[in-house]
Parts: sequence; C-alpha cells; structure tokens
Amino acid sequence: QSALTQPASVSGSPGQSITISCTGTSSDVGSYNLVSWYQQHPGKAPKLMIYEGSKRPSGVSNRFSGSKSGNTASLTISGLQAEDEADYYCCSYAGSLYVFGTGTKVTVL
Amino acid sequence: EVQLVESGGGLVKPGGSLRLSCAASGFTFSSYSMNWVRQAPGKGLEWVSSISSSSSYIYYADSVKGRFTISRDNAKNSLYLQMNSLRAEDTAVYYCARVGIAVAYYGMDVWGQGTTVTVSS
Repeated sequence: QSALTQPASVSGSPGQSITISCTGTSSDVGSYNLVSWYQQHPGKAPKLMIYEGSKRPSGVSNRFSGSKSGNTASLTISGLQAEDEADYYCCSYAGSLYVFGTGTKVTVL
Repeated sequence: EVQLVESGGGLVKPGGSLRLSCAASGFTFSSYSMNWVRQAPGKGLEWVSSISSSSSYIYYADSVKGRFTISRDNAKNSLYLQMNSLRAEDTAVYYCARVGIAVAYYGMDVWGQGTTVTVSS
C-alpha cells in the first residue's frame, strides 16, 4: 500500500487560510469516509485533529476543518496562528490497514 | 487521565529482537482496538500493526509481516509488540495509539509519548 500524497510544505501569514491536500486511491480515501488528520509538533506525539473526514474531536479548534472529494481529502486551517506551525499527516483506513500521508510542513510566515 | 506509556525501546543489533510494551490507564482498555505506529528519524508516520479489542483481528504492514507480532493482555491493560529479525530500517520511534470507537471513530485519538528503537551494529 503506497503512502497518500501530500504537498511537502504549505505556508501562510497569520490570519490567512491554508489548505492541505491528501490524495489517495479508490482503495483507500475513495472507498472509506474514514480519513483522519494529525498535527505533530517537533519531538511530540501526533495529535488527532479531524476524524471521519470532517469531524473534530472535543477540544480541537473550529479553525480546523476537513473535507473529501473523490480520492482526495483536504484539511483547511483558517485564521492561521503561530501555534499551527507543525507537521500534518492525513491517514485513511483501508479495510484491514491504515495508510498515512507523506506529511506536510506548515510554516506560519 | 487517559494515558498510554510505551517502554522497551533500545539499541539492538541487526537480526536481534526486542519487545515493546504499552501500558494503558484512565479508560476501559478492553473496549478499544489498538495500533502501533512508527516514525523513522526525520521521516513520516507509518502504520505498523493493529489489534482488535478481543485480539480476534490482527493486521500488519507488509514491511513487518512475518517478523513482528502484536498482542495484548486486557487483564493487565497492556499492549505489546514483539519485534524479531530486526533491520536497520526498523529504526524509529514507536508509538502505541488508541483507535476511537463511538467518538473519533477509526481515528487514533490517544497516543503514547513513544519509545525509540535503534537497530545498529
């Protein structure tokens, strides 16, 4: 199973919105509405930000939103803040396994 | 407090073995599926293995199939990963993660701090 494809880096100024794409196949992203997104700061464990494509766990800011179209899922961060600077990974459940994305480094300019 | 704490990492020679443990607390461990996820130095996250709540369903990534064995002891609230025939490319931080059920469905909603495995001669 190949990793899902994400852009290596995305940047934005404080207050702006950015979107990270996550492209898979009809065997993973396209078949299951079970894409999750994780935020990881350097040296820290990943944190769940979005599950089931668009749902936010309790405690996650509503500035984070998720969507899906076909084989591509997306994470949008609105009102970008300095603390949003981190690595972001998408992940799709694919039947009996999970596939992570290649990861995107978000830089706040 | 809901918590996962990994242990058992270390330095091992190629071809060697290591057993990782993950101690769960603050939730009903026996109700949740669990995953192992690893991250090689400077690289992205890689799913390694999953085990269902009652150990009925077990899955592995192709990269570790036949070499790693996941298991759990619900009486001890513990998850394990037995790693045999270790290779340099298995060098990584290994995380255990809880798989959400009613909430955070199929998302990994609780993570441990990770334990480092280094395979080198």
